[in-house]
Amino acid sequence: QKEVEQNSGPLSVPEGAIASLNCTYSDRVSQSFFWYRQYSGKSPELIMSIYSNGDKEDGRFTAQLNKASQYVSLLIRDSQPSDSATYLCAVINAGGTSYGKLTFGQGTILTVHP
Amino acid sequence: GAGVSQSPSNKVTEKGKDVELRCDPISGHTALYWYRQSLGQGLEFLIYFQGNSAPDKSGLPSDRFSAERTGGSVSTLTIQRTQQEDSAVYLCASSLSFTEAFFGQGTRLTVV
Repeated sequence: QKEVEQNSGPLSVPEGAIASLNCTYSDRVSQSFFWYRQYSGKSPELIMSIYSNGDKEDGRFTAQLNKASQYVSLLIRDSQPSDSATYLCAVINAGGTSYGKLTFGQGTILTVHP
Repeated sequence: GAGVSQSPSNKVTEKGKDVELRCDPISGHTALYWYRQSLGQGLEFLIYFQGNSAPDKSGLPSDRFSAERTGGSVSTLTIQRTQQEDSAVYLCASSLSFTEAFFGQGTRLTVV
């Protein structure tokens, strides 16, 4: 089982719609969760961090964390063509042999079409 | 500098040569990560430094790869006897412990 799993997509949504990106993780002691956006040919860029259960909103982005279900999601409201990118879920482990290590999922490709 | 700085931005080397890639993290960041990303692929973890602790080298693909971090700051990733399969973008990131990590612009390595 991969430590962090995401659907690779591609996920295609129309402009103005809500894009929903999902991620599950295997380590129950994970404590820090992040979403990165990566445009083709560029480095990953941090867009959201979340550390406790519930929702966290920042502009058009909402991160949701459910530690009991080991699930973290990212909602993008009013999706724009400029949101088209690969979205990477990342987790920092708080125990075991991977203590403090930042682990990434394989990424979900999002395409927002006009 | 304000961000993570990597050098060189691009490196073309001949098969069998050694290369050194440099990462200058954000000042004060205790954690430093190296990843590799091949074309169209995800991030492959290589190595992780946290303060003065022994580094987590579990992602290094072979003994041709090594990394060090001097004085808790600058890190160098060394690849000996480069092979064509080493061609990729090498990314460095730094963070405070258990918080947001920020990436450098990467080094694109091409082995010919």
